[in-house]
Amino acid sequence: AIRMTQSPSSLSASTGDRVTITCRASQGVSSYLAWYQQKPGKAPKLLIYAASTLQSGVPSRFSGSTSGTDFTLTISRLQSEDFATYYCQQYYNHPRTFGQGTKVEIK
Amino acid sequence: EVQLVESGGGLVQPGGSLRLSCAASGFTVSNNYLSWVRQAPGRGLEWVSVIYSGDSTYYADSVKGRFTISRDNSKNTLYLQMNSLRAEDTAVYYCARGGLGPYDYWGQGTLVTVSS
Repeated sequence: AIRMTQSPSSLSASTGDRVTITCRASQGVSSYLAWYQQKPGKAPKLLIYAASTLQSGVPSRFSGSTSGTDFTLTISRLQSEDFATYYCQQYYNHPRTFGQGTKVEIK
Repeated sequence: EVQLVESGGGLVQPGGSLRLSCAASGFTVSNNYLSWVRQAPGRGLEWVSVIYSGDSTYYADSVKGRFTISRDNSKNTLYLQMNSLRAEDTAVYYCARGGLGPYDYWGQGTLVTVSS
């Protein structure tokens, strides 16, 4: 199975900050990578797919990029509603695998 | 509007069985890829199973041989039959649309607790 490793596991930030989360795949997944946001007690929400394509309705402050097997989720200016846990997921092959999550907390 | 509503969760003893349902609306299950993803308490997301539009199915190694994914096109509903349940199967189970690609719609989840 492809291992997806996110870093950091958690971070503290303030509203207005620029936040970057990294996800590294243990082998190539091309651009078959998605990012999800999950708030406590809620289902995950798709933010980005194909590594850098913004899902419809997702604010443009979210962006995704890739460099080889490293993927990055960037929130350009953190808003209060962005405090949540973020997961990456590869859909290159089975089994589909998720990163362990990055919790974004209020500083 | 696309909606997925899970049901069927609850408390079950180790070795027992449970069937989860996921009622879909706003789209047709017969020509979509549908998946189950679970989340143990305080843990991350774990893919469980997928059913393709052509009825091919795949399972995580942790549930292979114990869980069966299926759908009823006439009821527009996805199912997950879970047998020989173990404590480590305790989780919130989400159904999600997708499986070839990303999961674009998710249900609200149903909690399965395996305990004596």
